[in-house]
Amino acid sequence: GESVGLHLPTLSVQEGDNSIINCAYSNSASDYFIWYKQESGKGPQFIIDIRSNMDKRQGQRVTVLLNKTVKHLSLQIAATQPGDSAVYFCAENFQSASKIIFGSGTRLSIRP
Amino acid sequence: DGGITQSPKYLFRKEGQNVTLSCEQNLNHDAMYWYRQDPGQGLRLIYYSQIVNDFQKGDIAEGYSVSREKKESFPLTVTSAQKNPTAFYLCASSITGVGTEAFFGQGTRLTVV
Repeated sequence: GESVGLHLPTLSVQEGDNSIINCAYSNSASDYFIWYKQESGKGPQFIIDIRSNMDKRQGQRVTVLLNKTVKHLSLQIAATQPGDSAVYFCAENFQSASKIIFGSGTRLSIRP
Repeated sequence: DGGITQSPKYLFRKEGQNVTLSCEQNLNHDAMYWYRQDPGQGLRLIYYSQIVNDFQKGDIAEGYSVSREKKESFPLTVTSAQKNPTAFYLCASSITGVGTEAFFGQGTRLTVV
């Protein structure tokens, strides 16, 4: 079946440390993966994306890694800041249908 | 400003009543989506539409209905057949095709009283 899931429901990180949020997916036909950040009471916001023909993509303080062999996606946030506190979702998009499927999310909390 | 607008932000409904949630976008996107989010949970797809006058059921369509008469608008009706409608509803839009991100509205929190 189609599913995108996360290994860890919550993650607590010391301010200034790096954060790594993981995601597993099951649809090997997925072409495109997206990470979203959702702050409390708001809609998700795009962070970074990666296509299935890539294994790494970097943005500002964020890096996404894709391992198609084990169907694993991760989001790395460098020098985590209090403003990074949110729920992070991975999502996949595949060519068989123009729809985006979301994982269950990981809550990231920052310790001062 | 370009964007996607959901209204109202908060909505209260009595049991047994239908209620319609509004979603409007001026991004010229062909695809629009409705998701439901329960507390501490992820987003589940209710309905999506790739083009005007066409829409498909998502994973949890029962008790919901949609229409797509205009490109800019994709209203969601929560019917009395939806057994547990209290949730946070999110609308999104995107360009069609793979490799396009979805842009989200700020959500509507529906509470059944």
